[in-house]
Amino acid sequence: GAGVSQTPSNKVTEKGKYVELRCDPISGHTALYWYRQSLGQGPEFLIYFQGTGAADDSGLPNDRFFAVRPEGSVSTLKIQRTERGDSAVYLCASSLTGTGGTRVNTGELFFGEGSRLTVL
Amino acid sequence: AQSVTQPDIHITVSEGASLELRCNYSYGATPYLFWYVQSPGQGLQLLLKYFSGDTLVQGIKGFEAEFKRSQSSFNLRKPSVHWSDAAEYFCAVGAWGGNNDMRFGAGTRLTVKP
Repeated sequence: GAGVSQTPSNKVTEKGKYVELRCDPISGHTALYWYRQSLGQGPEFLIYFQGTGAADDSGLPNDRFFAVRPEGSVSTLKIQRTERGDSAVYLCASSLTGTGGTRVNTGELFFGEGSRLTVL
Repeated sequence: AQSVTQPDIHITVSEGASLELRCNYSYGATPYLFWYVQSPGQGLQLLLKYFSGDTLVQGIKGFEAEFKRSQSSFNLRKPSVHWSDAAEYFCAVGAWGGNNDMRFGAGTRLTVKP
């Protein structure tokens, strides 16, 4: 598609359940990012993929959170044993080559509209 | 790691008045700097970016920002605000050649009075 697509747009689940959030980046974008945005806060970095590999997962809050990108395109963020504190909007973004690297890299991120997760 | 501070949580301006949103960053080398806007129910949209060259950058919708290395700032400005500019504004910093994540500030919510 033309932009970054995220599904579902809304997800309500019960505490302790497992959740998967999907991100379909812009075609050809090698870099993919997951952020979490809580109410009244800026996006908080979770994980960054360059191709199929997680180049930086330092933002994942604990081992209940995991993300994959097996073919270097679509990514899935997986949350096990959800807690009420996991409630937030989960944002996905893609970029042509990432924000770092060489000086020719402009680093613009293109964001999806997010998946709103509510844990009851 | 890099970090961003947006000192103003909420700003209210009258339509037609000028606007300046503050952003301070912390990073040990030359940063990439960005301003994004988020309208209710919409995704983040890039307004402008700085990564080298001219320290005054022009963006979309009549916005501009000035990179001041000595003050570690990248303030966003607009000479005349329109009611449609009401939104949440986020400053972000990305790193050269190292980790590739982008760090965002907490945001400034802009309200525009008629």
